[in-house]
Parts: sequence; C-alpha cells; structure tokens
Amino acid sequence: AQTVTQSQPEMSVQEAETVTLSCTYDTSESDYYLFWYKQPPSRQMILVIRQEAYKQQNATENRFSVNFQKAAKSFSLKISDSQLGDAAMYFCAYRSAPGTASKLTFGTGTRLQVTL
Amino acid sequence: EAGVAQSPRYKIIEKRQSVAFWCNPISGHATLYWYQQILGQGPKLLIQFQNNGVVDDSQLPKDRFSAERLKGVDSTLKIQPAKLEDSAVYLCASSLLAGGAGELFFGEGSRLTVL
Repeated sequence: AQTVTQSQPEMSVQEAETVTLSCTYDTSESDYYLFWYKQPPSRQMILVIRQEAYKQQNATENRFSVNFQKAAKSFSLKISDSQLGDAAMYFCAYRSAPGTASKLTFGTGTRLQVTL
Repeated sequence: EAGVAQSPRYKIIEKRQSVAFWCNPISGHATLYWYQQILGQGPKLLIQFQNNGVVDDSQLPKDRFSAERLKGVDSTLKIQPAKLEDSAVYLCASSLLAGGAGELFFGEGSRLTVL
C-alpha cells in the first residue's frame, strides 16, 4: 500500500517570505499523481497544485510551486511571497493511475503559520 | 456554482447511539467520497461511489458504518452504534472524474463528538 509522509507537523513563515513544506511517499508504481491540498481553519479543503508523475517539469500555480524528485520519492511545496491567507493545514496526497478504484491517500498534514 | 453541501455541521452523541450524515455533491459529479479525519491525522477514505455503485469500501468498518447513494446524487453515511473512537470530522467530497488527476471538491465536514 502506498504511504505518504509529512515530517513537519508545524511550520512558520513571515509574511512575504518563502517556505517549503516537505512530503515523501512510498510506492512501487511508475505512474501516479501527487497533490497538495489546503485546509483553512473551519473551511473546506481545496486543491492547491497537482503533478503527474510522468511529467518531468515541476508544476507551478502562481505563488505555489513543487519540487518533484521522482527517484527520491519526494514532493515538496514551495510557497513564495507568503500571505496571511496562506495559514492553513497543508496535506500532501497520492493517487495511483489510472483506474476508478484508485483512492487518494493523504499524509498527516503540516500546519502553516504566517506571521507579520 | 454551488459547492458540496453537508449536514449537520456538528453532532454530539453518546456511545452506542446512532448518527447519520448527509451529503449533496456538486451537480454532475459522478464520483462521491466519504472521508474520516481524526484530529491530528490526514483524511482516510471510508467509501467511494461511482454514480450509485460502490467502488471502494475497503476501509469502512462495516459492522457499524453504512453508506448509500440513492439515484447517484445525495449520499448518507450512518454510524450505529457509535464508539468513542468514531469522534472525527466526516468529510464528503465529489469529483467529475473517478480517478487520475481529477480534483476533489470537499464540503465543510460534519464534526462528530462521541461521549
């Protein structure tokens, strides 16, 4: 079974600075998808960014980018120019590809604090 | 576009009582998921529906949990009888695609406290 590990329970960053959240995963598959989801306090979880394993280019969405190292099974999230609204729980997630029964497996999350 | 709706938002019950959660997914989304999120942990998939058929319920404690999705739209998750360890947030999500890179859209969750 696939596992997702987030080794940083909490991180803190100053407003306008850059922070990197770590994620590693364990799989024997060669094709899969990776995601970062954000869960603000008392609000629903939303997708931040996703990466297909067959793509070598790292995904980027505005201030959010990933560093995908397939051989190392590492998938870190970089948040640039951090804003107060970035404060949330961040979950890394893995999904096998393809197949209708491929479930999304989440890590334990990293709580990000943004300070002034 | 309306998001995923869940109710109730909060529920407090005593152990051995029963509880039911309701979810209305985004219109047109064929796939619906129920996740359990225990405090300090990531969400764990309980059951996944494709239309009104079950795709994956391997982690659903079937002796006490049940779920249905009538007519391939709304879904209900029931716990009977509840145990202390069932205290968690129950998240419903839906997606247009059943797998792959498809984005999951989550509701705000139903927080259950079992005393």
